[in-house]
Amino acid sequence: DAKTTQPPSMDCAEGRAANLPCNHSTISGNEYVYWYRQIHSQGPQYIIHGLKNNETNEMASLIITEDRKSSTLILPHATLRDTAVYYCIVRVSGNTGKLIFGQGTTLQVKP
Amino acid sequence: NAGVTQTPKFRILKIGQSMTLQCAQDMNHNYMYWYRQDPGMGLKLIYYSVGAGITDKGEVPNGYNVSRSTTEDFPLRLELAAPSQTSVYFCASSYFAGSSNQPQHFGDGTRLSIL
Repeated sequence: DAKTTQPPSMDCAEGRAANLPCNHSTISGNEYVYWYRQIHSQGPQYIIHGLKNNETNEMASLIITEDRKSSTLILPHATLRDTAVYYCIVRVSGNTGKLIFGQGTTLQVKP
Repeated sequence: NAGVTQTPKFRILKIGQSMTLQCAQDMNHNYMYWYRQDPGMGLKLIYYSVGAGITDKGEVPNGYNVSRSTTEDFPLRLELAAPSQTSVYFCASSYFAGSSNQPQHFGDGTRLSIL
């Protein structure tokens, strides 16, 4: 199963873009990259996922490098409510749908 | 829209007691999961189910049991509670069909302390 590496913590100024990096150098060709976040020990919240192409939704953008060995989650205009732990996860290949969580990146958005 | 509902939200158990953590989803999802999260750590998969009557072990199944008699419910059973099982427990569900990659939806968690 592909492992992910994320920085343990990052700061971002309110209103600025937050760029959260993730390395997944052992990812397989059919494995998706998922991003979740967890606010104040609530249940994890799905943000976005992708396979090869860049993806965008109402919450964020996901940029995946051409070799798929790394990706970046972009929150275009961070607010204080975006302060959370962000998890980059490579979904286990096969039909179990299992997610393997690492320790994530704690993003602190500052006024 | 209830989504994934977990009960109870909080519980304190004595060592050796047993209890069942309840999880129900109303989204007609076929896949369901149980995770635990220790302080400052990421979530670890305990058990999962790909449909009614089918369950399988995750990363940390020891000390737990599950059953899946209906699509909606996926209870987690602790038979002999130990202090090491003090944790926050999250249930999740998702829909999977062939190559579909639908995200998992999580409940709000059950905070369990074993004293």
